[in-house]
Amino acid sequence: EDQVTQSPEALRLQEGESSSLNCSYTVSGLRGLFWYRQDPGKGPEFLFTLYSAGEEKEKERLKATLTKKESFLHITAPKPEDSATYLCAVQAAGSFQKLVFGTGTRLLVSP
Amino acid sequence: NAGVTQTPKFRVLKTGQSMTLLCAQDMNHEYMYWYRQDPGMGLRLIHYSVGEGTTAKGEVPDGYNVSRLKKQNFLLGLESAAPSQTSVYFCASSYMGEQFFGPGTRLTVL
Repeated sequence: EDQVTQSPEALRLQEGESSSLNCSYTVSGLRGLFWYRQDPGKGPEFLFTLYSAGEEKEKERLKATLTKKESFLHITAPKPEDSATYLCAVQAAGSFQKLVFGTGTRLLVSP
Repeated sequence: NAGVTQTPKFRVLKTGQSMTLLCAQDMNHEYMYWYRQDPGMGLRLIHYSVGEGTTAKGEVPDGYNVSRLKKQNFLLGLESAAPSQTSVYFCASSYMGEQFFGPGTRLTVL
């Protein structure tokens, strides 16, 4: 059974204090690993797709990396507007593009 | 381009009542999905569709039915609502594996 575990559940940072969120996964044939951002009361917003171990993608202060067992979302010099829940999901090959989600990491960045 | 839209945004039902949630997308995507999101449990797939006229069960399908009569619309029905179906419901459509989500419907069943 495909499974995604995210840690920590919650993370509190000061503005400018860099850190990383972890996403560990087990999947039968990874087609892609996805990161989403979700603000309170809104739907998830797509951030990145990673397809193979060693791949990295960046967007502003966020950088996602992928190994064969886990992915990291690195946040460099975060700002209060980066506060959100970050969701990780995996897609197995041949799964009709279905996603299996983790429970997310709630990030709070204080000024 | 509105993307994925959902109606209604909020709804309160009494146990045993029925309702239909509507999802519409204007991106011409083939695949569409219905999820529910509960605290501590993440997003769980209820039903999905790989094209007009097709539907399939996801992880938690019991108590729900779906229909995809038109490519752009995906309907989620609750025939006899139960308190356990209190949740936030999200619809998504997919292109090249990337799913695009609607704003959600918050449903409370009393």
